[in-house]
Amino acid sequence: GEDVEQSLFLSVREGDSSVINCTYTDSSSTYLYWYKQEPGAGLQLLTYIFSNMDMKQDQRLTVLLNKKDKHLSLRIADTQTGDSAIYFCAEAGTASKLTFGTGTRLQVTL
Amino acid sequence: ETGVTQTPRHLVMGMTNKKSLKCEQHLGHNAMYWYKQSAKKPLELMFVYSLEERVENNSVPSRFSPECPNSSHLFLHLHTLQPEDSALYLCASSQVFKGDLAYQFFGPGTRLTVL
Repeated sequence: GEDVEQSLFLSVREGDSSVINCTYTDSSSTYLYWYKQEPGAGLQLLTYIFSNMDMKQDQRLTVLLNKKDKHLSLRIADTQTGDSAIYFCAEAGTASKLTFGTGTRLQVTL
Repeated sequence: ETGVTQTPRHLVMGMTNKKSLKCEQHLGHNAMYWYKQSAKKPLELMFVYSLEERVENNSVPSRFSPECPNSSHLFLHLHTLQPEDSALYLCASSQVFKGDLAYQFFGPGTRLTVL
């Protein structure tokens, strides 16, 4: 079955860039997503990328997709304390369902 | 109300109780989902109602029973739960076109504790 993997924890200093990585197994994935979950809240869609794209930039967020290696990354420029949250990678394959990773907890320190 | 709302936000119940979780979406979407989020585990898709068809995860115990009376409302009926069912239950909705999945909008979740 489909599998999505992420590292569990990342710590960065305020103002630095954060890079959160994700690998997936389903080569038929059509969409890949990044969601953010703040404490006590549901998941908020941050951005998504179609599988035929290599990169997508949206303000401080840059998504890179290496389809050959099935690797997805989210770069947050000028990381702020408000970016502290859990970030989930998810992929949607032809089965029309999302498969989520375990989430990466981003801690931003002063 | 906008987006996806869930009630209650917190629920504590005993193993012999019957309770229901409610989800409402105000986005005009045609698909709704229940997810279970447990600590240190990936989100688990429990049920999908898409284009009025129900799709289930066969590993979900029968003590969880979904109901989708219309495209805007989704319920999860709970009966004789176990302590390991304690988790955050998230509802989501999306607009599905010809079987392709569009991105899902999530509600804030119901934090369930089973004593």
